[in-house]
Amino acid sequence: AQTIHQWPVAEIKAVGSPLSLGCTIKGKSSPNLYWYWQATGGTLQQLFYSITVGQVESVVQLNLSASRPKDDQFILSTEKLLLSHSGFYLCAWSLEGAQDTQYFGPGTRLLVL
Amino acid sequence: GDSVTQTEGPVTLSEGTSLTVNCSYETKQYPTLFWYVQYPGEGPQLLFKVPKANEKGSNRGFEATYNKEATSFHLQKASVQESDSAVYYCALLSGSFNKLTFGAGTRLAVCP
Repeated sequence: AQTIHQWPVAEIKAVGSPLSLGCTIKGKSSPNLYWYWQATGGTLQQLFYSITVGQVESVVQLNLSASRPKDDQFILSTEKLLLSHSGFYLCAWSLEGAQDTQYFGPGTRLLVL
Repeated sequence: GDSVTQTEGPVTLSEGTSLTVNCSYETKQYPTLFWYVQYPGEGPQLLFKVPKANEKGSNRGFEATYNKEATSFHLQKASVQESDSAVYYCALLSGSFNKLTFGAGTRLAVCP
């Protein structure tokens, strides 16, 4: 069975500080990977999409970047946090190919002060 | 771009009553439709997927029929339980980036 792990579980960071969030998928090779952001009490918005190692597409510009250094790993980062980055960050995976179901991880809660 | 509109919450029901959450969508592409459920502090979980027009999806007593003509995909359950309290999202998958567009979410509270 596939498992998806996100780290850290939660972070409190200062405005202007750097950030790195991680996501690992086990039990599935060559998945499509996604990052989503959810404002508190809000809906989910897709940020990035990756179909393979080293290839990441940006869907929305939020002064964030993403990388896929390994087949099973997806990293979300920024060098300078803004207050507006606060929220819930979710990693998701789907089978390679289009139009398939996306399965979400447990999420990382971020508070920027 | 794609858009999804669903019943505004919160919706408060008594146990044993019926639920309908309306969902309508707009897209120029052929969509695949989903309902997800999210519990506090967790990531969304797939409730079910319906890939084809006029087909029904169902799971855990919830069901929805994809009405292509009306571009709708309403969620229904005949008898809700307290454990159904959560936020329900209608979502549309289409196009490049395998982009999943979510509705605003409908918070359901079921009272015993």
